[in-house]
Order: sequence, then structure tokens, then C-alpha cells
Amino acid sequence: AQSVTQPDIHITVSEGASLELRCNYSYGATPYLFWYVQSPGQGLQLLLKYFSGDTLVQGIKGFEAEFKRSQSSFNLRKPSVHWSDAAEYFCAVGLDAGGTSYGKLTFGQGTILTVHP
Amino acid sequence: NAGVTQTPKFQVLKTGQSMTLQCAQDMNHNSMYWYRQDPGMGLRLIYYSASEGTTDKGEVPNGYNVSRLNKREFSLRLESAAPSQTSVYFCASSAGQGTDTQYFGPGTRLTVL
Repeated sequence: AQSVTQPDIHITVSEGASLELRCNYSYGATPYLFWYVQSPGQGLQLLLKYFSGDTLVQGIKGFEAEFKRSQSSFNLRKPSVHWSDAAEYFCAVGLDAGGTSYGKLTFGQGTILTVHP
Repeated sequence: NAGVTQTPKFQVLKTGQSMTLQCAQDMNHNSMYWYRQDPGMGLRLIYYSASEGTTDKGEVPNGYNVSRLNKREFSLRLESAAPSQTSVYFCASSAGQGTDTQYFGPGTRLTVL
């Protein structure tokens, strides 16, 4: 079964600093990978996703992520963090069970981002 | 276009009581999902429905039942609530393929005393 690990439970950065959130996955085939963001009291919103092609993926709100097959990683980055980026971030791996029409997601534990002014 | 809606937003139950969480989507999606979110554990899949008329168990189905009422609606039922079911519950939907984005509702915060 697939699994996802986010090693950092909580990260604190200063506004304007760069950010990297780590995500490692375990899955036999090429996975479908997602990053979601959850603001306090809200549902999850998709930031970006990767399923094939260019390994550097651009998302909304200035985020990007790079798929590295050799490291089984899909780290999320942002060059300059804004106070509004404070939220919880979830990495997820999905699979398409060949021929069937659903996509189950397995989520990591989440990383809480705090932004200091 | 409301996306995914969930009712209620908050609920407090006593142990042994039953309740149904409602979910509806207006995006004509084929697949719908129920997750629970607990601190430090991310989201875990309870049940999903690949298409209208089908449902299947996810990672943590014990204590729950679901009904895919039609293409729009997917309900989650707790027959006899337990304190271990205190959690935030999210419904999601997607067009149906593995690469498709799942769209999430705002969640239901459930407390079982």
C-alpha cells in the first residue's frame, strides 16, 4: 500500500523568507502526487499536482513542487512567504486502480506553517 | 455554484446516539469520498463511492455506513456514536480519475461525549 510521510510537523518562517516543505512517498509505480492547503476552520484546497511530464510543477499562490523519483520526494517550495500562507499543508499520493474510475488519496500527517512578521 | 456542501457544520452527540452527515456536490462529479481528520494523522478515508450506485470501504470504515443517494448526494451515518468518532469529517468529490482534483467541503466538527 502507498504511504506518505511529512517529516516536519511544524515549521516557522519569517515573512519574506523562502520555504520548503518536505514530502516522501512510498509507492511501487509512478504515483500521482498532490499538495493541498488547509486554512484554519476551512476545507482543503488544491495547490498543485503531478502525474506525468515536467517534474517541476507550478501551482497557485506562487507555490511550486519538484518530483524526484530517485529520492521518492515531492517537496513544496515558495521563494518568498507571505503572512497569508500560514496554514496546514498536506501532501497526498493517489492511485488510479487500472480501469476503474476512482482515485483514492493517501494523505501525509500535515505540516503546520507559522509565519512571523 | 456552491461546490461541495456539508451539513451540519457542528454536532455534539452522546455515546450511543446516531446521526447522518449530509454531503452534496453540484459539479456533476462521478466520485465522492468521506474522510476524517484527527490531529497529527492527516486525513483518512472512511468510505468512497466511485460512481452512482457503488460504495466501498476505505482505510477506517468501522462504525460507519454510507449511502450514495444519487449522483449529487453521499451521506455518512454513525449508527451508535462512540467517543473515538470525535473528529472533523470532510466530504470530497472528483470527476473520477486518479489524476483528478478532489474538491473538499467545509467539514463537520463532531464531538461525541
